[in-house]
Amino acid sequence: EAEVAQSPRYKITEKSQAVAFWCDPISGHATLYWYRQILGQGPELLVQFQDESVVDDSQLPKDRFSAERLKGVDSTLKIQPAELGDSAMYLCASSHRGGGGYTFGSGTRLTVV
Amino acid sequence: SQQGEEDPQALSIQEGENATMNCSYKTSINNLQWYRQNSGRGLVHLILIRSNEREKHSGRLRVTLDTSKKSSSLLITASRAADTASYFCATDGDNDMRFGAGTRLTVKP
Repeated sequence: EAEVAQSPRYKITEKSQAVAFWCDPISGHATLYWYRQILGQGPELLVQFQDESVVDDSQLPKDRFSAERLKGVDSTLKIQPAELGDSAMYLCASSHRGGGGYTFGSGTRLTVV
Repeated sequence: SQQGEEDPQALSIQEGENATMNCSYKTSINNLQWYRQNSGRGLVHLILIRSNEREKHSGRLRVTLDTSKKSSSLLITASRAADTASYFCATDGDNDMRFGAGTRLTVKP
């Protein structure tokens, strides 16, 4: 069964350092999403791509977060500099262009110390 | 910002019992979806119900949707210990998906 691949699985970084996460969506899925999930809460949308274009990044803290999907396939989410409050699970998901159910990756657990 | 709100926040039942979780939302939707998340893992899509549907079944899952009350329910029948997880509703409105805070279900063997 096709999966959304994410790496790394876990990341520990010191505050003020830069950190990057990678996501490879299911082949053919035009829409890609990055979500942040704080422990005990539901996922919150950070950014949505349609092919290589950003559709929604209204909740992305743009002073420190950036995301790209240059060729409309895999994507990278970067945080620079990381802050203690960024500790969370970062989830990537993809879906077909027409919507429907999302397929999530296993996530990257970030701990900022 | 989150859209849906699940109720209850936590639910503990015995194996074999039914589990019902509710979701309320605020704005108009195209569809509503339910997801399951095991601890420390990603979310798994369970079922999607469109705004013009009232009820949908998938195996031991039954979902209802009342758009007039802006609410949905997820029923898991004959629960198993393996159903222990967090369950989230997600509303699909204008091009994005908003999740609630989830219901933590514990099924005791």
